[in-house]
Amino acid sequence: GNSVTQMEGPVTLSEEAFLTINCTYTATGYPSLFWYVQYPGEGLQLLLKATKADDKGSNKGFEATYRKETTSFHLEKGSVQVSDSAVYFCALRGSTNAGKSTFGDGTTLTVKP
Amino acid sequence: DVKVTQSSRYLVKRTGEKVFLECVQDMDHENMFWYRQDPGLGLRLIYFSYDVKMKEKGDIPEGYSVSREKKERFSLILESASTNQTSMYLCASSLLDRGVTGELFFGEGSRLTVL
Repeated sequence: GNSVTQMEGPVTLSEEAFLTINCTYTATGYPSLFWYVQYPGEGLQLLLKATKADDKGSNKGFEATYRKETTSFHLEKGSVQVSDSAVYFCALRGSTNAGKSTFGDGTTLTVKP
Repeated sequence: DVKVTQSSRYLVKRTGEKVFLECVQDMDHENMFWYRQDPGLGLRLIYFSYDVKMKEKGDIPEGYSVSREKKERFSLILESASTNQTSMYLCASSLLDRGVTGELFFGEGSRLTVL
């Protein structure tokens, strides 16, 4: 079946540091890949997505590239802010398995001023 | 602004009680989902629905049931709550015709504590 493996957290960075959160996946067919973010006390919201190989998703300074050869979708940001403190979930939605979404365990990011 | 609304943010129930969690979306989405979120376990799919009166089991359906009488509303039911059902419950929806490229839209979550 489909699976998503995320870099374990928690991750603590200073403001303006570079962020990478690793995500690798296992899936049959041609999945779409997503990063969702959950701010404290809220539900998840879409951060960015990529629907085919070599696509780059980007939003709010975050980027991730769909790498089929390494089955990866790593999240990066060049300069994090305190307001980026949240839980980040990598997810895929498969062309098989009735299009259901599979989520990673989440990575908690704390950015200190 | 599009919205998924969960009726209760916080609930405290006793073991053996029947619990209803309600979810309403205003985006005319066909697909609706119920997940539970637990630390270290990510999100796990309980049930989903692609249409009115239609339901499919997810990965952890035991101890739960669902109801979808109207397109906009998807209810999660705990027939007899147990302490191991203490969790955060998240409702989500998506468009059917976006297929696998469509993202999920989530509610704010319902934190259930079973004593």
